Amino acid sequence: EPEVTQTPSHQVTQMGQEVILHCVPISNHLYFYWYRQILGQKVEFLVSFYNNEISEKSEIFDDQFSVERPDGSNFTLKIRSTKLEDSAMYFCASRAGQSELFFGEGSRLTVL
Amino acid sequence: QKEVEQNSGPLSVPEGAIASLNCTYSDRGSQSFFWYRQYSGKSPELIMFIYSNGDKEDGRFTAQLNKASQYVSLLIRDSQPSDSATYLCAVNLILTGGGNKLTFGTGTQLKVEL
Repeated sequence: EPEVTQTPSHQVTQMGQEVILHCVPISNHLYFYWYRQILGQKVEFLVSFYNNEISEKSEIFDDQFSVERPDGSNFTLKIRSTKLEDSAMYFCASRAGQSELFFGEGSRLTVL
Repeated sequence: QKEVEQNSGPLSVPEGAIASLNCTYSDRGSQSFFWYRQYSGKSPELIMFIYSNGDKEDGRFTAQLNKASQYVSLLIRDSQPSDSATYLCAVNLILTGGGNKLTFGTGTQLKVEL
């Protein structure tokens, strides 16, 4: 069964460092997303990406965040200068149309 | 006003009972509605989605949608201990430019007791 894959599963970094989280969405999907979930809190929308551009981003997705789809398979989230409050589980997701959103297993980011 | 509202729970039901989970949403332009289940430390997994007013059944699960009241619910029949998880309501909006966005509620924690 096709799945969304994310790497790394866990990353520990120092405050102020850059972090790149990697995702390989399901191959025939057109819509790509990053969500984050701070421990014990809700799943929060960060950004959606369609037709090679950002279609919407939340207030959380400030200038420190960026996304790229450098080739036909990868979809990355970059945090330029991490803060303590960026510690969370980051989920990549993709979907073919308006139906099911498929989530990856998540990348846990710990900022020290 | 929160975009998607759920009672955080916990909702405790005995094994074999019906669990009823509720969700309201604020944007009348919302077009489709999803229920996800999330076990602690895991990613959300889809239970079912619904587009049209009324009921949609899938096994032990029934989703109910009332767009006039901006209300969607999930019923779980014959609840099992393995159903104990957090249930996330999500609402889909189609964006200008062709993209779309799924907005999640805070989730309701369900505990099914033996």
